[in-house]
Amino acid sequence: EVQLVESGGGLVQPGRSLKLSCAASGFTFSNYGMAWVCQAPTKGLEWVASISTGGGNTYYRDSVKGRFTISRDNAKNTLYLQMDSLRSEDTATYYCASYGGYWGQGVMVTVSS
Amino acid sequence: DVVMTQTPVSLSLAIGQPASISCKSSQSLLGTSGKTFLNWILQRPGQSPKRLIYQVSKLYSEVPDRFSGSGSETEFTLKISRVEAEDLGVYYCWQGTHFPQTFGGGTKLELK
Repeated sequence: EVQLVESGGGLVQPGRSLKLSCAASGFTFSNYGMAWVCQAPTKGLEWVASISTGGGNTYYRDSVKGRFTISRDNAKNTLYLQMDSLRSEDTATYYCASYGGYWGQGVMVTVSS
Repeated sequence: DVVMTQTPVSLSLAIGQPASISCKSSQSLLGTSGKTFLNWILQRPGQSPKRLIYQVSKLYSEVPDRFSGSGSETEFTLKISRVEAEDLGVYYCWQGTHFPQTFGGGTKLELK
């Protein structure tokens, strides 16, 4: 069974950092590009960042460039999102998704003082 | 950025009725590879998104064949031949051809 399990979310103050993880199982993780997608409360889906199979190519939406870093460890079948200089507008549920179509259950990030 | 415009915003249908959702992009989604990276996903109430269709018209293996996708370039359609109770939720189109990748605003399917 394919599973993507996110962790690392929580409540954090503005300007602080958080690192999300996404543990993959049930498929060959290293064969798929991966993405982070977020959803603010009661809003639609918004793409955040993507990474190629080997990790050599990364892409970000403008609002997170320079603050967020997507990375992966294919030996550990894990995707990461390092989130620095967090802002209140980053408050959302963050999903990891594979380009094979699988989605995790999501992890909530709340940025508030 | 590529703007994805979905219509209608909401649909209220009885079980057994057909459904049609439109997704229009502000520029062609035909990539240099010759592939069109237009996906459809469904988010049921309180759940994470689930995959339905990729590259315009290819159904994932677990998706019932009452779902179909069509279109090209800038205009795409998701159809459900006969709506069932498990189909309620919000449908999103998602383009992966251009960065930043972008989603449509969503179409909420409710049961009448």
